[in-house]
Amino acid sequence: LAKTTQPISMDSYEGQEVNITCSHNNIATNDYITWYQQFPSQGPRFIIQGYKTKVTNEVASLFIPADRKSSTLSLPRVSLSDTAVYYCLVGEGDNTDKLIFGTGTRLQVFP
Amino acid sequence: DSGVTQTPKHLITATGQRVTLRCSPRSGDLSVYWYQQSLDQGLQFLIQYYNGEERAKGNILERFSAQQFPDLHSELNLSSLELGDSALYFCASSVGPRGRGEKLFFGSGTQLSVL
Repeated sequence: LAKTTQPISMDSYEGQEVNITCSHNNIATNDYITWYQQFPSQGPRFIIQGYKTKVTNEVASLFIPADRKSSTLSLPRVSLSDTAVYYCLVGEGDNTDKLIFGTGTRLQVFP
Repeated sequence: DSGVTQTPKHLITATGQRVTLRCSPRSGDLSVYWYQQSLDQGLQFLIQYYNGEERAKGNILERFSAQQFPDLHSELNLSSLELGDSALYFCASSVGPRGRGEKLFFGSGTQLSVL
């Protein structure tokens, strides 16, 4: 089964928009895509979830193309406190309930 | 505070020993998930329980076992510990059996150090 992959790291400056992409080409037809944020020595924290097209909440947007084989987390106007590791989470396939995290993207925001 | 409680927060032990990690899910959540995170590594899925029954299994070693009790708390047992078992172990909970389409709420983890 294909892994769920993300860029290892990204750098940004305060006030910029950051887009982090996750590749999940084995996503099940009934699966959702969820993104989590993790600070050092803390458990991951839910950011946003979607099934298709676009979802927006108070902290982020999630863009999912029609084939659903990838997704993009968009963080508007990042601040220093957004420095963290970001993970996407999908099911492993159609016949399993395993929830597999992506490889994670370490975002560093500079002043 | 996620509502998920993990104990202990830190555990230091020696190779060959056995330890038990405990997790209490959020009130009302029936599913418990265990993940392992080694230093600077991602989150590796170990196992999931729903209402006392094993629901999904990841790359969990045979030396590791888990269970979910009638009061819905879960324990992860790690035996014959090796240096490579040193990691942060996270527990998460959700309401339903499948996890898909749900939020997972994570505890703050148990840091295991095997010396």
